[in-house]
Amino acid sequence: QSALTQPASVSGSPGQSITISCTGTSSDVGGYNYVSWYQQHPGKAPKLMIYDVSNRPSGVSNRFSGSKSGNTASLTISGLQAEDEADYYCSSYTSSSTLEVFGGGTKLTVL
Amino acid sequence: QITLKESGPTLVKPTQTLTLTCTFSGFSLSTSGVGVGWIRQPPGKALEWLALIYWDDDKRYSPSLKSRLTITKDTSKNQVVLTMTNMDPVDTATYYCAHSTIAAAGTVDYWGQGTLVTVSS
Repeated sequence: QSALTQPASVSGSPGQSITISCTGTSSDVGGYNYVSWYQQHPGKAPKLMIYDVSNRPSGVSNRFSGSKSGNTASLTISGLQAEDEADYYCSSYTSSSTLEVFGGGTKLTVL
Repeated sequence: QITLKESGPTLVKPTQTLTLTCTFSGFSLSTSGVGVGWIRQPPGKALEWLALIYWDDDKRYSPSLKSRLTITKDTSKNQVVLTMTNMDPVDTATYYCAHSTIAAAGTVDYWGQGTLVTVSS
């Protein structure tokens, strides 16, 4: 069982917006601004999409945005495109370990 | 340009020791703040941090696997080696090498392509 809780799946139509949640505790998500989001296409390595809750690495589309409220972080993808269909993982710094913890992953389906 | 590549056996037998090597380029593990680690992903399952080593030889391990893991670095060869003892079929997974910085608190900004390791007799 993963330390961070994500919905198993979400879906949306092209052009719509979707939000993926990542729920932890005050020892991880809620206590630190070190939440990251990764995108993983089948058979590929993950790709960093958001770091430090809401920052985008260079080259990542501004359709991707991150936020946090209390113990829950969120990834929002606006203007959904077919290429966004992938698995998404959140991760967070945690005081319970010297390594970050991951969420269980969310499969995004673009209808 | 930062690149990382994993190498090692694709098949190991139960109880054997797995040794994986990460060979990287585009950065130095002697640079302050830099870290290289290992993350695994069983088929169809989530990501899991295994170990991370920083430029100053600070080593961090998954609490649940600490007794089985050893991470080392060879700065001159641009390599990081992970050993995992007493392999079990549940350790079957794709193993990724990862670049991070201490300022990023473990966030991975560059990933290797991954290597699938199967544990079976």
